Parts: sequence; structure tokens; C-alpha cells
Amino acid sequence: AQSVTQLGSHVSVSEGALVLLRCNYSSSVPPYLFWYVQYPNQGLQLLLKYTSAATLVKGINGFEAEFKKSETSFHLTKPSAHMSDAAEYFCAVSDLDAYSSASKIIFGSGTRLSIRP
Amino acid sequence: DAGVIQSPRHEVTEMGQEVTLRCKPISGHNSLFWYRQTMMRGLELLIYFNNNVPIDDSGMPEDRFSAKMPNASFSTLKIQPSEPRDSAVYFCASGDGTKSYNEQFFGPGTRLTVL
Repeated sequence: AQSVTQLGSHVSVSEGALVLLRCNYSSSVPPYLFWYVQYPNQGLQLLLKYTSAATLVKGINGFEAEFKKSETSFHLTKPSAHMSDAAEYFCAVSDLDAYSSASKIIFGSGTRLSIRP
Repeated sequence: DAGVIQSPRHEVTEMGQEVTLRCKPISGHNSLFWYRQTMMRGLELLIYFNNNVPIDDSGMPEDRFSAKMPNASFSTLKIQPSEPRDSAVYFCASGDGTKSYNEQFFGPGTRLTVL
């Protein structure tokens, strides 16, 4: 079964510093991976996704993630943090139901990113 | 594009009352998902539908919870009777389930408070 593990439930960085949010996956098949962001009092929205076209994936708001098969990782980075990046970030992996061929997304436990002025 | 629409946005009710949450998915999407989010348990998948058929309801906490999708443009999540521990934010999401790499689109959520 597919799963993701997010390392660190809370990450705090200074404004302008590098953001690094860690995610490792477990999958029996080549995975499709996602990063979602949730701002306070809102639903989740897609930041970026990996679909095997390219290992380095660029998303919205200057975020990017690199798929590393050898490390089973899909870490999210941003070179320079902005105050508006404060939110909860979820790593996720696609999972296919064997009987119906319907797909769902399995989410990690989330990492809360705080930005210090 | 109106996105996923959920109603009501906020619901306050008393223990023992019936609660019905509503969701209108994005037109053309064939998969619909109900989630619950709390501080203690995080984001939990309750049930999901594909082509209006329930695929996996193993996340539904107990018999007090039920979900229906009578057509491609509407779904309900019902709690009867409600209990204080059901207080949470309930999200509906929809997606194109024909491809595993397709993302889900989330609604704004319904914040439920059971007194």
C-alpha cells in the first residue's frame, strides 16, 4: 500500500531563509506525488505534482520539489521564505483501488510552516 | 469555474440532532471525497465515490455517519444523532478519477460544532 511520511510536524524559518519540508514515500508502483498547501480557514490547494515527466517539479508561489527514487523522497523547497508562506503543507501519494480502478490520494500528517520576521 | 461548493459553511447544533452537509463537485469530475479534519486526528478520508458509487467507506467512524451521491452533481454527508466529538471541519473534494495523477480540488469546508 502507498504511504507518505512527513518529517517534522512544525518547521520555523526566518523570512528570506530557505524553506525545506521533508517527505518520504512508500509505494509498490511508480508513484504519483503531490504537495498541497492549506492556509488558515481554507481548504487544501495543489502546490505541485510529480507525474514522472521530470524529477524536478516547479509549483506555484516559487516552490519546487525534487523526486529522488534512490532516497524515496519528495522534499519541498523554496529559496527565500515570505511571511505569506505561513501555512500547513501536506505531502501526498496517489493510490489506485484494485477492484474499481478508481484513484484516491493518501495524505501525510502535515507540516506547519511558521515564518519569523 | 465555481469550484467545489459546500453548504453550510458553519453549523452549530446540539447533541442528538441530525446534521446534513452538502457538496456540489466541479462539473465533469467523476470522483468525490469526504474528509474530516481535527487538531487531534488531522485529515481523515471518510468515504469516496467514483461515478456516484461508493468505493471505500472504511473511514466512516460509525453507523451514525452516512453519505449519499444521488447524481453526479450532488452529495450529502449525514450525521444522526450528532455528538460533541463530531465537531470538526468537513471537507468535500472532487477530481477526475480516470487518471491516477489527477489532483483533487477541495471545497472551503463546513465547520461543525456540536454542543
